[in-house]
Amino acid sequence: GQQVMQIPQYQHVQEGEDFTTYCNSSTTLSNIQWYKQRPGGHPVFLIQLVKSGEVKKQKRLTFQFGEAKKNSSLHITATQTTDVGTYFCAGFYSNYQLIWGAGTKLIIKP
Amino acid sequence: EAGVAQSPRYKIIEKRQSVAFWCNPISGHATLYWYQQILGQGPKLLIQFQNNGVVDDSQLPKDRFSAERLKGVDSTLKIQPAKLEDSAVYLCASSFGADTQYFGPGTRLTVL
Repeated sequence: GQQVMQIPQYQHVQEGEDFTTYCNSSTTLSNIQWYKQRPGGHPVFLIQLVKSGEVKKQKRLTFQFGEAKKNSSLHITATQTTDVGTYFCAGFYSNYQLIWGAGTKLIIKP
Repeated sequence: EAGVAQSPRYKIIEKRQSVAFWCNPISGHATLYWYQQILGQGPKLLIQFQNNGVVDDSQLPKDRFSAERLKGVDSTLKIQPAKLEDSAVYLCASSFGADTQYFGPGTRLTVL
């Protein structure tokens, strides 16, 4: 069946360092969405990628969608304490099925 | 605009009891999702409605879970009977098509 693998599970960084999380699908995606969930909160939408090879930026966040529409990444430049949380990708497939990655927890070391 | 409303926010029950959760999506959103999120894990889609029809319920444990969306607006999710492993946060989300999902605050269920 369709699967979305997300790595790493955790990432510890010093404030100011960069952070990247990756999602890989077993089959081609229609689109992929990224969400952020703060501790104790609910997921909040960040962005949706639809086109093959698409790159979108939101301030320090850069999102990429692979040419084959099977993988995606989120990169944060110069992390800040406000970036703490778990980042999830959610992949939509052509059969309308929606599969979430397991999330990458960003931990900023003091 | 008002967000996704869910109730109750917290529920504690004993195993084998029944429980129901309610969700009111954002006005005009045709798509409604119910998720189960176990502590430390990602959201697991239980059921997806398009208006009052079911799009995907492949991960819904149908022997004990049921959901309905009457008139294509509000939705209820029921568990009967509950098991210990059902302890989780149940999240409701809505969207305009296969677009941005807006989440409610969730219902934290504890099964003792």
